[in-house]
Parts: sequence; C-alpha cells; structure tokens
Amino acid sequence: QSVLTQPPSVSGAPGQRVTISCTGSSSNIGAGLDVHWYQQVPGTAPKLLIYDSSNRPSGVPDRFSGSKSGASASLAITGLQAEDEADYYCQSYDSSLTGSVFGGGTKLTVL
Amino acid sequence: EVQLLESGGGLVQPGGSLRLSCAASGFSFSNYAMTWVRQAPGKGLEWVSAIKGGSGNTYYADSVKGRFTISRDNSKNTLYLQMNSLRAEDTAVYYCAQRIKSGSSSHFDYWGQGTLVTVSS
Repeated sequence: QSVLTQPPSVSGAPGQRVTISCTGSSSNIGAGLDVHWYQQVPGTAPKLLIYDSSNRPSGVPDRFSGSKSGASASLAITGLQAEDEADYYCQSYDSSLTGSVFGGGTKLTVL
Repeated sequence: EVQLLESGGGLVQPGGSLRLSCAASGFSFSNYAMTWVRQAPGKGLEWVSAIKGGSGNTYYADSVKGRFTISRDNSKNTLYLQMNSLRAEDTAVYYCAQRIKSGSSSHFDYWGQGTLVTVSS
C-alpha cells in the first residue's frame, strides 16, 4: 500500500487529454509539500517530468502539466502520442515517515 | 552531461551482504545530495536512502534502517550503498539519483540505469 494513491491505469486515444491523480494526506501533499512526477518506459530508468508540482525541466514538452490542490495533485497530458505510453509516478516527502514517498504508479495506455 | 553509473549488483543468498556503487560525473558531486531508489520486479518505485552533500547527513526508509548504510566518497565522486542482512524482499533494481531541493520537497533530477540485486538461495 503506497502512501500516495494513484489509479493503476488510464488510457486515451491519440490526440486526447488524460489526467492522472495522486492523492496524499496531511503529512505530505496536504501539508503543502510539493509533488513531482516521473515517466518510466518499461525497462528504462525513471525520468523527471514535473517538479515542484507544476514546473517542467528543459526538454519536457508543454503537453505535460502538473497541478496541486489540497491533499491531491494531478498530471495532465494533452495531445496524446504513442510515445507517451509508459508508467507514471508521483513523489513527495512525508513528514511522519521523514522520507520521500512515491505513488504506486499509473500505467498509461495509448489506444 | 550528468552521468550516474551503478555497479555491484548480483545474486546473493538471504542474510548475505552486497555493496553497490554509483560513479558520478558531469556535475560537482560534493555539492549535491544523492539518493537510492529501488524497484522490485513488476512493482513501483520505493525510496531507500539519501545522503546530503555538505553535512553528509543520512536518511533511511524504515524497511532498510539498521541493515543498509549509505555513504559517499567525494574525492572519488562515488556514492555507495552497503546492504547487510539481505532478505528476499530486497530483490530489486537499485537506482542512484541526484537529489535536488528547489521547492518544499526534494525531487530526483538525474537517474542512473540501475543495477539488479537478487536475493535468493
């Protein structure tokens, strides 16, 4: 059971918009702590996609965006492309556990 | 270009020990916190441990506390993870990553390719 809760899977057709949620609690996201998102293509290392809840590292397309409200955060992907098919993880810090925590991951399927 | 290269993984029996290394290049290693994250086969990511750049303060997940030790040699630009009393549930790909704190919580900017640790008799 992960500290941050994500849906196991989402799907969408090419060109569509999908969102992935990440729900935490008062000891992590709800405490105002930033959320970060990673993309992992199976068999490869994770790649930073969004940091500090809504910032994109250089090189990440603006089709990817992040937001945070209360104890939840969301990753939105617009204009879905086949290459977006991957696993996506949210991450934050938990003050009760005094360490970083990840969501369980969401598998995105592009139909 | 930032590069992180893990090594030291392999097959070890339950109760055994293993030391992982992560060779860093392309950035001022001593100035950055570093972390280990693992991924069991077919499972999600799990934060394992972190070490600060300046103070060398260390942090551990409860699942490895007392068994694993993170350390660094800034003169060699290398991060280590000493793993003792290994259990089957420690079987995973272990990634090292550069840890950045720009907002209210740290994130992991660059990742290595990972090294597989298998604990089995």
